[in-house]
Amino acid sequence: GNSVTQMEGPVTLSEEAFLTINCTYTATGYPSLFWYVQYPGEGLQLLLKATKADDKGSNKGFEATYRKETTSFHLEKGSVQVSDSAVYFCALRGPNQGGKLIFGQGTELSVKP
Amino acid sequence: NAGVTQTPKFRILKIGQSMTLQCTQDMNHNYMYWYRQDPGMGLKLIYYSVGAGITDKGEVPNGYNVSRSTTEDFPLRLELAAPSQTSVYFCASSDRGFNTEAFFGQGTRLTVV
Repeated sequence: GNSVTQMEGPVTLSEEAFLTINCTYTATGYPSLFWYVQYPGEGLQLLLKATKADDKGSNKGFEATYRKETTSFHLEKGSVQVSDSAVYFCALRGPNQGGKLIFGQGTELSVKP
Repeated sequence: NAGVTQTPKFRILKIGQSMTLQCTQDMNHNYMYWYRQDPGMGLKLIYYSVGAGITDKGEVPNGYNVSRSTTEDFPLRLELAAPSQTSVYFCASSDRGFNTEAFFGQGTRLTVV
């Protein structure tokens, strides 16, 4: 079945450092890929998405590129801020899967001033 | 526009008690979902629905029941609560199409003692 694997957390960075959170997936067909962010005490909200191979999703300085050849969707940001501290989830939705959204285990990011 | 609304936000149950977690959405979405979030474990799909009158099991349905009598509402019923059901529960909804995003409620923190 479809699945998503994310790098283990927590990740601790200093402000203005470069961020990469790895995400790989297993899926039949050509799924859509998503990154969601969860700030403390809140629900999940969409950060960015890509719906076909080689698409790049971007939002708030974050980027991720849909790489079909490596089945990856790594999240990057060039310069993190304290306000980026949150839990980040990679997710996919595949065709013919009843609309199910499959999540990775989440990666907690802590940014220190 | 309220989006996805969950009630209650917090609840403490005794072992063996029952309760219903309420979820309603005002976006006329066909798809609705219930997830549970355990620390370090990501989100696990409990049940989902692709439209009124249609529900299906996710990864972890045991101990739960759902119904979908209207497009707007998707309540989750816990019968005979157990400590293993201590978790944070999230309801979500989305439009049809596997390239559309899901919108999440704020969550219900449930403790079974």
